[in-house]
Amino acid sequence: SQQGEEDPQALSIQEGENATMNCSYKTSINNLQWYRQNSGRGLVHLILIRSNEREKHSGRLRVTLDTSKKSSSLLITASRAADTASYFCATDDQGAQKLVFGQGTRLTINP
Amino acid sequence: EAGVAQSPRYKIIEKRQSVAFWCNPISGHATLYWYQQILGQGPKLLIQFQNNGVVDDSQLPKDRFSAERLKGVDSTLKIQPAKLEDSAVYLCASSWVGSRSPEQYFGPGTRLTVT
Repeated sequence: SQQGEEDPQALSIQEGENATMNCSYKTSINNLQWYRQNSGRGLVHLILIRSNEREKHSGRLRVTLDTSKKSSSLLITASRAADTASYFCATDDQGAQKLVFGQGTRLTINP
Repeated sequence: EAGVAQSPRYKIIEKRQSVAFWCNPISGHATLYWYQQILGQGPKLLIQFQNNGVVDDSQLPKDRFSAERLKGVDSTLKIQPAKLEDSAVYLCASSWVGSRSPEQYFGPGTRLTVT
């Protein structure tokens, strides 16, 4: 079953701009994670936010979590060409260790 | 540390043939996952192992898919017989046990094309 849904499905911006992606989910969670996937590669873990946290930063990444709305957002500031990739949110399925991924947002950074 | 290893990276087979994928997780990671990722979609969990025991295989098409992790380290995923709709990238991931470090580490994947 698909838990998270990302919005938008595709995003194209100019290098240097900020990129924001949103994720909605359906059931209660312990944590929410964001992953990046470059074309033809495996997924790379970016950041994890726990259900008792509202905001988290890691370098140029900022993640927010609103458990009342069952939604999260990922902000990438000062985007670079190397940020071109697909971004997925993933939630633990009602506290289980397995992850349920959304469909992803395909981000393109134009030079 | 070495990452998750998978082989082969690419495989092309005809429908009704069989195929096997291999995965070696990060050393010390007790939990191993196999995902199927169809083009344009997010990964879907097929099976989760903890050591050599199955934790979750609810989405594994058991009539044609099988997986094992005999010694609690590396794992194989087999499809027999393959169908056209099995064309996808098969991803292996591993993680530590428990909720304190739930991040998963992914291998590069095996791209399967069934013709």
